[in-house]
Amino acid sequence: GQQVMQIPQYQHVQEGEDFTTYCNSSTTLSNIQWYKQRPGGHPVFLIQLVKSGEVKKQKRLTFQFGEAKKNSSLHITATQTTDVGTYFCAGHTGFQKLVFGTGTRLLVSP
Amino acid sequence: KAGVTQTPRYLIKTRGQQVTLSCSPISGHRSVSWYQQTPGQGLQFLFEYFSETQRNKGNFPGRFSGRQFSNSRSEMNVSTLELGDSALYLCASSPTGTAYEQYFGPGTRLTVT
Repeated sequence: GQQVMQIPQYQHVQEGEDFTTYCNSSTTLSNIQWYKQRPGGHPVFLIQLVKSGEVKKQKRLTFQFGEAKKNSSLHITATQTTDVGTYFCAGHTGFQKLVFGTGTRLLVSP
Repeated sequence: KAGVTQTPRYLIKTRGQQVTLSCSPISGHRSVSWYQQTPGQGLQFLFEYFSETQRNKGNFPGRFSGRQFSNSRSEMNVSTLELGDSALYLCASSPTGTAYEQYFGPGTRLTVT
């Protein structure tokens, strides 16, 4: 069935280093959403991308949707301890079912 | 605006029992979706309700069901609980559906013993 994989599963960085998580779908997605879940918390919406090749920025975060609409990435520049959490991508399949990625857990050491 | 609320926050049930979880969406939101989150399977879509109608359904057995009321509040029910149903159940609301920004509630932590 539909699968959305994220890599890496886990990354531990020093504060100030950059971080990137990649999201790969087995089928074309109509859109891609990104969420952040802090430890013990619930997912919080970050952004949605709809167009092929779209790039959006939010302060230190850069989001990209692939040309084939089957992959996406989230890049954080100069990580801070407040960036700690698990980052999920989520996309809609042709049947409009929302499928979440496997998540990337980010740990930032001061 | 008040956020999405879910009750109860924690629940312990025995195998074979049934359970009902409740979700109150943000005022004005007509779409409510339910998700199951486990360490092994991640976040999985259960179903979405919009204006009291189930609009979409994930790949879960019929033991999982839900409904939405005229005030957009939603309940999900799990019958004949199994150990594997232990999970965090998250509810999310949106003005129009999962194709747009969703606001998640704090979740209900269900433990089946």
